[in-house]
Amino acid sequence: EAGVVQSPRYKIIEKKQPVAFWCNPISGHNTLYWYRQNLGQGPELLIRYENEEAVDDSQLPKDRFSAERLKGVDSTLKIQPAELGDSAVYLCASSMDRSTDTQYFGPGTRLTVL
Amino acid sequence: RKEVEQDPGPFNVPEGATVAFNCTYSNSASQSFFWYRQDCRKEPKLLMSVYSSGNEDGRFTAQLNRASQYISLLIRDSKLSDSATYLCAVGKGGFKTIFGAGTRLFVKA
Repeated sequence: EAGVVQSPRYKIIEKKQPVAFWCNPISGHNTLYWYRQNLGQGPELLIRYENEEAVDDSQLPKDRFSAERLKGVDSTLKIQPAELGDSAVYLCASSMDRSTDTQYFGPGTRLTVL
Repeated sequence: RKEVEQDPGPFNVPEGATVAFNCTYSNSASQSFFWYRQDCRKEPKLLMSVYSSGNEDGRFTAQLNRASQYISLLIRDSKLSDSATYLCAVGKGGFKTIFGAGTRLFVKA
């Protein structure tokens, strides 16, 4: 069974530029998460989707971050404009549904903002 | 105080040693508990869930202490390949899961 797929794996951009990350969850997983992980820290939730509905986006910096999950499968996370402090690894995870907290992570996108 | 706290380590142990990590959580309503393993520059991978009755998988044993609000991970007969960062995660039944910052383990020959 294929795991969570993310692309790109690495991205280097200059500050003020836009960037987008893509995630395809495990087939059949209704819940999708976007996390940000800074060096030496654990993953921090940015947004959680149940199917196509964003049910928890309280930690998403909405002035510059946006996300969508059209059709309840793939998801895209966008940053516009990027700031130096956005450099981090952006992880996507999925789980079967909201009744289980067991999450499976994708390989992440390592973002460097110069 | 952080919701989930771990000793960052590093723990440096020789091969064959037994090592234990704790993870404390502040929300007494927490219902689900996990240990994840994260290798350098890789994603977290689920190591094991932690049940009220404890959970054992080979050399790994996880336990939950609700009264004192912590979970533990015991690794017996450490291998070089166990070197990694161990993240604990605490959830509340379908709501936000909080991850600790991780404990780094180095197993040396």
